[in-house]
Amino acid sequence: NAGVTQTPKFRVLKTGQSMTLLCAQDMNHEYMYWYRQDPGMGLRLIHYSVGEGTTAKGEVPDGYNVSRLKKQNFLLGLESAAPSQTSVYFCASSPSGNEQFFGPGTRLTVL
Amino acid sequence: AQSVTQPDIHITVSEGASLELRCNYSYGATPYLFWYVQSPGQGLQLLLKYFSGDTLVQGIKGFEAEFKRSQSSFNLRKPSVHWSDAAEYFCAVGAPGGSYIPTFGRGTSLIVHP
Repeated sequence: NAGVTQTPKFRVLKTGQSMTLLCAQDMNHEYMYWYRQDPGMGLRLIHYSVGEGTTAKGEVPDGYNVSRLKKQNFLLGLESAAPSQTSVYFCASSPSGNEQFFGPGTRLTVL
Repeated sequence: AQSVTQPDIHITVSEGASLELRCNYSYGATPYLFWYVQSPGQGLQLLLKYFSGDTLVQGIKGFEAEFKRSQSSFNLRKPSVHWSDAAEYFCAVGAPGGSYIPTFGRGTSLIVHP
């Protein structure tokens, strides 16, 4: 069991570029989440999914889009990156919507 | 709506000393409660959880937490801290049968002095 994996681990973008972060889980969990973590701000929920084919907005969804075409994958897209999106991004999955299993994170820098 | 407060941003302890990290929650009924640990450069790992029953729960790495309904608290404790316990600790609350979005506290950074 790999648990929750995230690709890539690090990325540097220029302002205006686009990219997709991939999250994969092999635990057959229904719920998946994308968070960003910034110093002093804790974890902030970007988007989440309660099942294959569903997505919903979290606390800070602006500038991000997501898709959950397959149950095991949850993609986070940045269409036009901005320096304010420099952050560490964490994906998590959950069997029940409560206890969460986190990936190792993606460190993104936008210049 | 539920909320979580971790009053201490930083806590400094000496190795071998006891530890207590505070967590207070706001929720209309008995919530699900969690403590997670985040070591530098890593993701969050679940330390322990409370759903119901015995209010003193044991977790991994020698940690325990006690649910006190009267104080709306779920404080994390360890009798003797090791240098490897230096990390960020997050308390979270979930709603039984609720919104599927746990609420996290801002975190407490634990510093361990040799």
